[in-house]
Amino acid sequence: QSVLTQPPSVSAAPGQKVTISCSGSSSNIGNNYVSWYQQFPGTAPKLLIYDNNKRPSGIPDRFSGSKSGTSATLGITGLQTGDEADYYCGTWDSSLSAGVFGGGTKLTVL
Amino acid sequence: EVQLVQSGAEVKKPGESLRISCKGSGYSFTSYWITWVRQMPGKGLEWMGRIDPSDSYTNYSPSFQGHVTISVDKSISTAYLQWSSLKDSDTAMYYCARASGYGNDYWGQGNLVTVSS
Repeated sequence: QSVLTQPPSVSAAPGQKVTISCSGSSSNIGNNYVSWYQQFPGTAPKLLIYDNNKRPSGIPDRFSGSKSGTSATLGITGLQTGDEADYYCGTWDSSLSAGVFGGGTKLTVL
Repeated sequence: EVQLVQSGAEVKKPGESLRISCKGSGYSFTSYWITWVRQMPGKGLEWMGRIDPSDSYTNYSPSFQGHVTISVDKSISTAYLQWSSLKDSDTAMYYCARASGYGNDYWGQGNLVTVSS
């Protein structure tokens, strides 16, 4: 059971928008920055969002992040079939003194 | 170019020891923590622990504390993850990543560890 809770799967049509939620607590999301990762099968994860809403260079602005209280959200607009992947949220947990990840969300672009 | 290059796939028997490595290049190795992440077959990412290469200070997830050891040799820009006695349940892909602020921005290619009798 992951410390951070994500929906197992989401789906949307090409061109549409999708959001992926990540729910935690005051010991993790509530008081620390959130990052988001994209992972294709058989490859290493890739950083999409850091510090709640910042994009590394090279990440298109179709990807956005936000945080409110003890929850965070990844938004993807203009969905493409190439966005089909697993998405993970991550943050620091001050009670555990350790990093934590969500269980991951599989995005299907119908 | 920032790179983290991990050592190759390993096949081990239960009870054996193992050390896998992660060599950083293209940046100041001692300026960024190195994180280790486990991914069991078909499962999600699990944060195992991290090390500060400048002073070898470590944090471990409670789930992994006492079962693995994270170390570093800053003279060769290499971090290590080691087990003294492997279990079948250690079969997984292991990734190292560079921790930058509040995100892991560069990742190694992964080490597949298979433990089987």
